[in-house]
Amino acid sequence: DAMVIQNPRYQVTQFGKPVTLSCSQTLNHNVMYWYQQKSSQAPKLLFHYYDKDFNNEADTPDNFQSRRPNTSFCFLDIRSPGLGDAAMYLCATSRAPGVGETQYFGPGTRLLVL
Amino acid sequence: DQQVKQNSPSLSVQEGRISILNCDYTNSMFDYFLWYKKYPAEGPTFLISISSIKDKNEDGRFTVFLNKSAKHLSLHIVPSQPGDSAVYFCAASEGSQGNLIFGKGTKLSVKP
Repeated sequence: DAMVIQNPRYQVTQFGKPVTLSCSQTLNHNVMYWYQQKSSQAPKLLFHYYDKDFNNEADTPDNFQSRRPNTSFCFLDIRSPGLGDAAMYLCATSRAPGVGETQYFGPGTRLLVL
Repeated sequence: DQQVKQNSPSLSVQEGRISILNCDYTNSMFDYFLWYKKYPAEGPTFLISISSIKDKNEDGRFTVFLNKSAKHLSLHIVPSQPGDSAVYFCAASEGSQGNLIFGKGTKLSVKP
């Protein structure tokens, strides 16, 4: 089945130690998104790629970066994780950007910062 | 400030009865609204959507109603089943980018 895969499902890192979360998709979708969801909060869009074009949300901290080396893979890099970055990180894809395009989500990676 | 609000964190309903989940929004420029369903340990999955040019969209047991003047939408599930127990997220989008703005979710429990 075509799907969105996130590895690992749980990631533990230390305060200030860089960490990378990965997402892959077999849907061949053009758009890939990264969301942050803190406990009991709404998922919040950090950034997205439309093909190779990177689109950063205005309030996404500089500590968060992303890479998309090819259509299938997208990475979320947190350069210096703080305690406040502990959250569920959701990757999603869509065929195209825009209203009416369904986003398909992966299961998420839960990040713990010690 | 939250643009999409789901004011009920949880809802409990008896099997076979109607579940009504509510969502309010503040941005009048939103033109597309979606409901996502999330089971534990899984990502949200798309359930149903509605464009701002409509006031109702139905798909099987699921119906979404949109009241633009009140900036309110609701999801009706009839009849509710235990398998419907999940967290339901309301989301809205605007314009060509279509970025989704989510609510905090409502946890629905359907009791047998």
